[in-house]
Amino acid sequence: AQKVTQAQTEISVVEKEDVTLDCVYETRDTTYYLFWYKQPPSGELVFLIRRNSFDEQNEISGRYSWNFQKSTSSFNFTITASQVVDSAVYFCALSEAYAGGTSYGKLTFGQGTILTVHP
Amino acid sequence: NAGVTQTPKFQVLKTGQSMTLQCAQDMNHEYMSWYRQDPGMGLRLIHYSVGAGITDQGEVPNGYNVSRSTTEDFPLRLLSAAPSQTSVYFCASSPALYHNSGANVLTFGAGSRLTVL
Repeated sequence: AQKVTQAQTEISVVEKEDVTLDCVYETRDTTYYLFWYKQPPSGELVFLIRRNSFDEQNEISGRYSWNFQKSTSSFNFTITASQVVDSAVYFCALSEAYAGGTSYGKLTFGQGTILTVHP
Repeated sequence: NAGVTQTPKFQVLKTGQSMTLQCAQDMNHEYMSWYRQDPGMGLRLIHYSVGAGITDQGEVPNGYNVSRSTTEDFPLRLLSAAPSQTSVYFCASSPALYHNSGANVLTFGAGSRLTVL
């Protein structure tokens, strides 16, 4: 069975601090996908990134960066110079890649990390 | 495009009542799914569908029914509501892998908050 663990339930930082959200996953599959979603106070779920298990390159998008390490089964998310607008719940998720590489829309989510950025 | 539309946004039910949460997408996505979000538990998969006429159970299917008569619609039915079904429900859709972009990326609806008394 797949499992995603986000050990940090809540994180509180002051604006401009860097913050890293941890994500550890368990899967027996050799091919899988990892995701991060953001849920702002308004409640919608916003896609941030998808990474497949064959691609361990780190990715940077503006102030956001992701560190994928298969050796430790981790997919951590760092926000550099945090801003108040980054306050949200962040979810890490995992999906198996079935025949042909599809996930059929079946994701296993972590518990979520509540990030609060204070001005 | 509207994306994924869920109705209603809020609903209060009494124990034993039945209701249907509606979900429609206009992106011609093959896959659709229903998740529930509970505090401290993230999102958990209830049911999913890989195409019209094809549905299957997810992690927490008990007490829920689904059907998919068209590509666009994927309603979730609560047969006899229980307080344990108090939750926020999200419908999601995603394209099949052979699409050039967005494969396996879920687009979520705005959510439906259900309270069962």
